[in-house]
Amino acid sequence: GIQVEQSPPDLILQEGANSTLRCNFSDSVNNLQWFHQNPWGQLINLFYIPSGTKQNGRLSATTVATERYSLLYISSSQTTDSGVYFCAVDSRSGNTPLVFGKGTRLSVIA
Amino acid sequence: DSGVTQTPKHLITATGQRVTLRCSPRSGDLSVYWYQQSLDQGLQFLIQYYNGEERAKGNILERFSAQQFPDLHSELNLSSLELGDSALYFCASSASRNTGELFFGEGSRLTVL
Repeated sequence: GIQVEQSPPDLILQEGANSTLRCNFSDSVNNLQWFHQNPWGQLINLFYIPSGTKQNGRLSATTVATERYSLLYISSSQTTDSGVYFCAVDSRSGNTPLVFGKGTRLSVIA
Repeated sequence: DSGVTQTPKHLITATGQRVTLRCSPRSGDLSVYWYQQSLDQGLQFLIQYYNGEERAKGNILERFSAQQFPDLHSELNLSSLELGDSALYFCASSASRNTGELFFGEGSRLTVL
């Protein structure tokens, strides 16, 4: 099945810093989503982005489908950005639901 | 608020017992998905239903079963529980039969003692 690799696995930032999280995937995809899991365990949709670029406030994402990667940018980070960021994809070549990467654990310190 | 409702939010039970987790999808969504998140396995897909029919199956144990009812809500039944079944169980819904954008509920945290 499709493989999803996220990097870095862990990231510690000072409040106000910027960061880039990466998601590599091994096959063409129909769907790519970025999620934020907050410290209470809730999975929050950030972006539905199988291709192209989107922005939502301090967050933006870019997916380059032909090169099989996606990037999540967090600017001017805040302590509330802490948590785990997951990339999830589904493969165009099979009837597979979303497959999740292992996530990037982000800690933003004041 | 994603619009997906899961109950109960927390559940503590003993080994060997059986529990039922319930999920109401977003209004208008026909697909329901169940995922399990444990510390060592990450987020694992269990099963998908579309408009009452099983659509896709993942790493779901034989002790687990699910169904989707005519009103589109879904239940995940976990039986003969083991310590290793302790996890966060998520339900998600989408409008599409073939994945599309998924919206997740807040999860049901199961602890098996």
